[in-house]
Amino acid sequence: QLQLQESGPGLVKPSETLSLTCTVSGGSISSTNYYWGWIRQPPGKGLEWIGSIYNSGSTYYNPSLKSRVTISIDTSRNQFSLKLSSVTAADTAVYYCARHSHTSGWKEWFDPWGQGTLVTVSS
Amino acid sequence: DIVMTQSPDSLAVSLGERATINCKSSQSVLYRSNNKNYLAWYQQKPGQPPKLLIYWASTRESGVPDRFSGSGSGTDFTLTISSLQAEDVAVYFCQQYYSSPFTFGPGTKVDIK
Repeated sequence: QLQLQESGPGLVKPSETLSLTCTVSGGSISSTNYYWGWIRQPPGKGLEWIGSIYNSGSTYYNPSLKSRVTISIDTSRNQFSLKLSSVTAADTAVYYCARHSHTSGWKEWFDPWGQGTLVTVSS
Repeated sequence: DIVMTQSPDSLAVSLGERATINCKSSQSVLYRSNNKNYLAWYQQKPGQPPKLLIYWASTRESGVPDRFSGSGSGTDFTLTISSLQAEDVAVYFCQQYYSSPFTFGPGTKVDIK
């Protein structure tokens, strides 16, 4: 059974860079039918897709965050990572990693999801 | 960006009764070349991550009870819980994957009356 687990600091100072890693177990991150994505959810609010990456390193980002986001992948460790620079309080959210289905040749739904990790931006 | 809206914001339904959630997209998510609607539904229980229920607007994910069903096409979609169970209390989100950026609806909270 595929499982994803986010890890990283729970507190980041304003203007600094948020860094998270997602470790995939029970399956290979090199699978051909899947991208790997990051989604966030501010407390009590809705879901926002941040970006996704393929095992080749090909990335798709949400234009609203593109200037601040870098997603990378390490197939040898079965991990992918998120970096979000110049954070503000508005970036406080639960950050989820998820497998991003790609069975039809296009990026589709997210399943499964990690448990999520709360990142608070505060001095 | 495709904007997703949902209605109602919340609803309370008696156990065993039907719950209906609506999702509307600001533009069609029907890809005419394959006649598929690029829409998914998720369930999120308190303190848990979202769980995929339905994709292609009406295909139930493996293991999802058959009381959950999805319908609709183009810009208007519905998630129906035919007979609400206590374990169905959650927030339900729709998501379009027709075009990037992939966007979610604001969610509909379902409670027991």
